[in-house]
Amino acid sequence: DVKVTQSSRYLVKRTGEKVFLECVQDMDHENMFWYRQDPGLGLRLIYFSYDVKMKEKGDIPEGYSVSREKKERFSLILESASTNQTSMYLCASSPHTAYQETQYFGPGTRLLVL
Amino acid sequence: KNEVEQSPQNLTAQEGEFITINCSYSVGISALHWLQQHPGGGIVSLFMLSSGKKKHGRLIATINIQEKHSSLHITASHPRDSAVYICAVRSWDGGATNKLIFGTGTLLAVQP
Repeated sequence: DVKVTQSSRYLVKRTGEKVFLECVQDMDHENMFWYRQDPGLGLRLIYFSYDVKMKEKGDIPEGYSVSREKKERFSLILESASTNQTSMYLCASSPHTAYQETQYFGPGTRLLVL
Repeated sequence: KNEVEQSPQNLTAQEGEFITINCSYSVGISALHWLQQHPGGGIVSLFMLSSGKKKHGRLIATINIQEKHSSLHITASHPRDSAVYICAVRSWDGGATNKLIFGTGTLLAVQP
């Protein structure tokens, strides 16, 4: 069975803290994605990775960085958390270069920055 | 204007009703996805379409490529169908990466 897991379901951090969100998939997928989801805005792509150590900016990369040292793990880093980064963060993965492939989503991490 | 528009944004139905959720898009696409998100956050893929119609249980998804429009239908709706339904398209940019453009979702509440 397909599985994407995220390190935390709920997280509370203070402004200025460095925050790590981890995502692990067990499907040997090449592509991994980080989204944030906000009311009225839908899912927006922050960063994606199509291979180990490869990354590309999505639509809203400002204030975020990512790391993909191993194929199964994709980390999202908030270098200095701010209140406008309070959101639901969703990780997803998909096989490589399949134009119509489904993305498999993790359960999400709800982050509150105080 | 968003590249993917869904309607309605909110929908309340009585158990047993036939439900339709609509999705219109303004870009060329290689595929369209319908996703379901239950309270708590997890997203599940329901359908992936590039043409025609697909059916799974009480769910039916259709797409009209010429009109750039898709519909998700739920027959004999049930309270457990209550969720956010999200339309997403993979725009046809010739690239190899599977990036999706998402609609803002339709919140469905089915009352017993």
